[in-house]
Amino acid sequence: DAEITQSPRHKITETGRQVTLACHQTWNHNNMFWYRQDLGHGLRLIHYSYGVQDTNKGEVSDGYSVSRSNTEDLPLTLESAASSQTSVYFCASSEPTGELFFGEGSRLTVL
Amino acid sequence: KNQVEQSPQSLIILEGKNCTLQCNYTVSPFSNLRWYKQDTGRGPVSLTIMTFSENTKSNGRYTATLDADTKQSSLHITASQLSDSASYICVPISGTYKYIFGTGTRLKVLA
Repeated sequence: DAEITQSPRHKITETGRQVTLACHQTWNHNNMFWYRQDLGHGLRLIHYSYGVQDTNKGEVSDGYSVSRSNTEDLPLTLESAASSQTSVYFCASSEPTGELFFGEGSRLTVL
Repeated sequence: KNQVEQSPQSLIILEGKNCTLQCNYTVSPFSNLRWYKQDTGRGPVSLTIMTFSENTKSNGRYTATLDADTKQSSLHITASQLSDSASYICVPISGTYKYIFGTGTRLKVLA
């Protein structure tokens, strides 16, 4: 079955370190998204991609970057982790009709 | 400004009882609306999609309503089960891929 997987599921890092969260989907979807989820907020869009070599900033993109070298993967990089980036991160991909399929999430703690 | 308000924030009911979750939104331009279910520690999963022309749609024990004029939607759960314990997120959509996530209603079903 097609799926979307994230790794690692849990990560603890220190302030200032670079962190990369992986996202891999086998749906063959062109559209991929990264969200963060924090208490008191709905899911907020960090970055998104509509296809290979295409990346776009979302509403909370500062301190994050993505790259899209193939259809299946959209890794999210935190250039220099900050405590404010402690959160649960969700990757998603969507079919042409627009339904989002989410991964299981990556819980990141920045100490 | 695009906004989504869900009520109540949390709800506790006994197994077998019905409940209704509310969603008020301000999204422009409005395309359609989805309800997602998110189990603890998991990614959200779509329950139903409502287009602006649809008033009611059912998915098993879940029935969603939409009033595009008053910008309100509701999710009714019939004969609740323990497995219904989750957060339910209202997501109006602008265009094809601009998802506006509510903060969710956390439902707890007790035996």
